[in-house]
Amino acid sequence: QKEVEQDPGPLSVPEGAIVSLNCTYSNSAFQYFMWYRQYSRKGPELLMYTYSSGNKEDGRFTAQVDKSSKYISLFIRDSQPSDSATYLCAMSGTGAGSYQLTFGKGTKLSVIP
Amino acid sequence: ETGVTQSPTHLIKTRGQQVTLRCSSQSGHNTVSWYQQALGQGPQFIFQYYREEENGRGNFPPRFSGLQFPNYSSELNVNALELDDSALYLCASSRGASGYNEQFFGPGTRLTVL
Repeated sequence: QKEVEQDPGPLSVPEGAIVSLNCTYSNSAFQYFMWYRQYSRKGPELLMYTYSSGNKEDGRFTAQVDKSSKYISLFIRDSQPSDSATYLCAMSGTGAGSYQLTFGKGTKLSVIP
Repeated sequence: ETGVTQSPTHLIKTRGQQVTLRCSSQSGHNTVSWYQQALGQGPQFIFQYYREEENGRGNFPPRFSGLQFPNYSSELNVNALELDDSALYLCASSRGASGYNEQFFGPGTRLTVL
């Protein structure tokens, strides 16, 4: 079992839809949770950063963490064609080896005009 | 504030050759981490450098090595290239080496091994 599982999609939605992206994880040491957006052939761009359980909102994006279920989500409201990209969840923890990010496989999203 | 930069953008090598990739960290950042991203996969951690010392290493063989310089820029060296080394190599910089430090990525170097 991989430490972080993410449905690779692809996911195709019409413009204006609400998008839900999810990751599950198995390592209880993960404390910090990130979502990165990666356009084709580019480096990942940090979108959201959250600590432990709870919600965080930034414009059209909401990140949600449920540590009891080991489940994190990213919601995109009023999706736009410019949101078409691969979305990567990433996690890090505390203690030994905490410095490295562990990524999911990425979900490829297409928003159709 | 200048972001993370990497060079070169693309590189083509043949099996058995050696390659050096370069990364300049974001202003104010003292830590550089390197990741390998194969096509269709998430990035995999190679190693991290903090204040010019290797701070941790992922599951990569010793032919992957690195350096960090006093200005916190960094190099990734790969010896005896194999076909499976073909990937996007990403560096990320951060203000510190702890798990809570946000990591900001460069655009990557795409390496093709023939």
